[in-house]
Amino acid sequence: EVVLTQSPATLSLSPGERATLSCRASQSVSTFLAWYQQKPGQAPRVIIYDASNRATGIPARFSGSGSGTDFSLTISSLEPEDFAVYYCQQRSSWYTFGQGTNLEVK
Amino acid sequence: EVQLVESGGALVQPGGSLRLSCAASGFTVSSNYMSWVRQAPGKGLEWVSIIYSGGNTYYADSVTGRFTFSRDNSKNMLYLQMNSLRTDDTGVYYCARGYSSNGGVVDYWGQGTLVTVSS
Repeated sequence: EVVLTQSPATLSLSPGERATLSCRASQSVSTFLAWYQQKPGQAPRVIIYDASNRATGIPARFSGSGSGTDFSLTISSLEPEDFAVYYCQQRSSWYTFGQGTNLEVK
Repeated sequence: EVQLVESGGALVQPGGSLRLSCAASGFTVSSNYMSWVRQAPGKGLEWVSIIYSGGNTYYADSVTGRFTFSRDNSKNMLYLQMNSLRTDDTGVYYCARGYSSNGGVVDYWGQGTLVTVSS
């Protein structure tokens, strides 16, 4: 099973700041990695797929990068609605998610 | 408009059975990759099962042999039959649609239905 490890577990930042979230895979997943955003009481929403492609309707302040085992999600300037839990997910071997990064308001 | 509406969640005793349903609208389930993804209370996400457009089904190791994913094309419905339920099956179960180009990225989710396995 491919294990995805996200860091940090919690990231405390202020609106307007830059956020960088990391996801490391236990083995190469090529670029078969997606990022999801989940707010309390809601289903997740895809932000990035195939490592660097923004999903439909996602603002340009979100960007993804990486390949193989190391990936990152960057939010260039945080908006109030960006504070949420973010999960990475791979589709290279079955489908697994990371444990999540809680992006909270500082 | 694409919509997914789950139902069937309930409180059930360990060892019991439950069938979840997912009503799809705005698209055809038989032409898409469809999945069930669950989330234990306060925890992360776990992919449970996927059905391909051709009808092949695949399961997480944790549910293989206990859960069965099926669909009714005439009703545009999906079902998850869950047998031999365990306490660690507790969680919100989401019905989800995968991208047409690859099923392993979800573009639409239902609102979820809560399954509680407890004595």
